[in-house]
Amino acid sequence: QIQLVQSGAEVKKPGASVKVSCKASGYTFTRYYMQWVRQAPGLGLEWMGIINPTGDTTNYAQQFQGRVTMTRDTSTSTVYMELSSLRSDDTAFYYCARLSGAYSPADYWGQGTLVTVSS
Amino acid sequence: QSALTQPASVSGSPGQSITISCTGTSSDVGGYNYVSWYQHHPGKAPKLMIYDVTKRPSGVSNRFSGSKSGNTASLTISGLQSEDEADYYCTSYTTTSTWVFGGGTKLTVL
Repeated sequence: QIQLVQSGAEVKKPGASVKVSCKASGYTFTRYYMQWVRQAPGLGLEWMGIINPTGDTTNYAQQFQGRVTMTRDTSTSTVYMELSSLRSDDTAFYYCARLSGAYSPADYWGQGTLVTVSS
Repeated sequence: QSALTQPASVSGSPGQSITISCTGTSSDVGGYNYVSWYQHHPGKAPKLMIYDVTKRPSGVSNRFSGSKSGNTASLTISGLQSEDEADYYCTSYTTTSTWVFGGGTKLTVL
């Protein structure tokens, strides 16, 4: 069955970086895009960015430009999202989700990773 | 890219129908038929309910339907059931090749 399994919860200090992983299984990894979405406490879903199937093209939401990097490792069927210069308002659940195309909906999602930024 | 505009909350009694609106601009909702709706229980993975404005994934009840007029998309849930109580988010593809979400709507089944 199709699964996206994300890495565990993280606690980081302001100014640090965090790297969240998302390991895919049950489908052909290299045929699907992956996006990242987050939800801060009490707020709505926020789209962060997308990486194409081969990993050579990314597109990030303007508010994360310069702070976020998305990569993928085809040898392990894993996608990574690294967010730097963390602030307290980056505290959120972070989700990966796969898309069959750049215009397609996200049909399978990871379980979410809680990142807490606190001094 | 500004978030799409959704009502903060809607409510209805079991068996009734409700509609959630999602208003954007010609750069997103109005410009593409790539609008999706997700059902979300906080802390859990969102569930795709509608995609490409009107299409329903396999396994989603036909009580859920989508439509669009101009810059506003809508999700209608008919025959409300208690299990429908959740947060609902619209999302649209945009002219900058990104996606944008609505602010979310909390559905309460009375």
